[in-house]
Amino acid sequence: GAVVSQHPSRVICKSGTSVKIECRSLDFQATTMFWYRQFPKQSLMLMATSNEGSKATYEQGVEKDKFLINHASLTLSTLTVTSAHPEDSSFYICSARVGTSFNEQFFGPGTRLTVL
Amino acid sequence: AQTVTQSQPEMSVQEAETVTLSCTYDTSESDYYLFWYKQPPSRQMILVIRQEAYKQQNATENRFSVNFQKAAKSFSLKISDSQLGDAAMYFCALTPGYGNKLVFGAGTILRVKS
Repeated sequence: GAVVSQHPSRVICKSGTSVKIECRSLDFQATTMFWYRQFPKQSLMLMATSNEGSKATYEQGVEKDKFLINHASLTLSTLTVTSAHPEDSSFYICSARVGTSFNEQFFGPGTRLTVL
Repeated sequence: AQTVTQSQPEMSVQEAETVTLSCTYDTSESDYYLFWYKQPPSRQMILVIRQEAYKQQNATENRFSVNFQKAAKSFSLKISDSQLGDAAMYFCALTPGYGNKLVFGAGTILRVKS
């Protein structure tokens, strides 16, 4: 149980285009999902917290117009990188939490984004 | 502010030996949760072990155990009988309060020698 999937696992796009990454909780309902960014050999950096049916809460320094997050259902959150540039190339990881009764987050396998 | 510090960028251990990864943290919350996550080369984050701050007993999961020193704000991970599959990046993480976000340490790369 508690499986989180991400799609796509890898994406290559041209500079200036937008890319959408999906995060799904497969066997549970996730009231809260988190989006992280990770550079090689570095830690996970929280970008935003997404609650179902409400606007995402972005961390300081993260451009909300650049990284659009939608959490339209209890099993799906999407991250759209708008007008992507090479510096947006990174590994993006989502996680999902089951309600608020337990603090464990379940992580997706990540998406490697390369912007040419 | 909540912080998690892992002072060992890299550690090495011989197969079948024991290794301890260090972690210190700081939080003003009285209730919090601590975690160790493993990130192998596949980059899938895997929960290794968790500890509730209100529990005095150290958590144990098979070959993995923690030494939770609440007063010292220390949360080290001990891996016994190390296996090649234990090679990974290990992250210490803290959730302050209840239902809040995870704060990660910088990570420790663990290498296992055969």
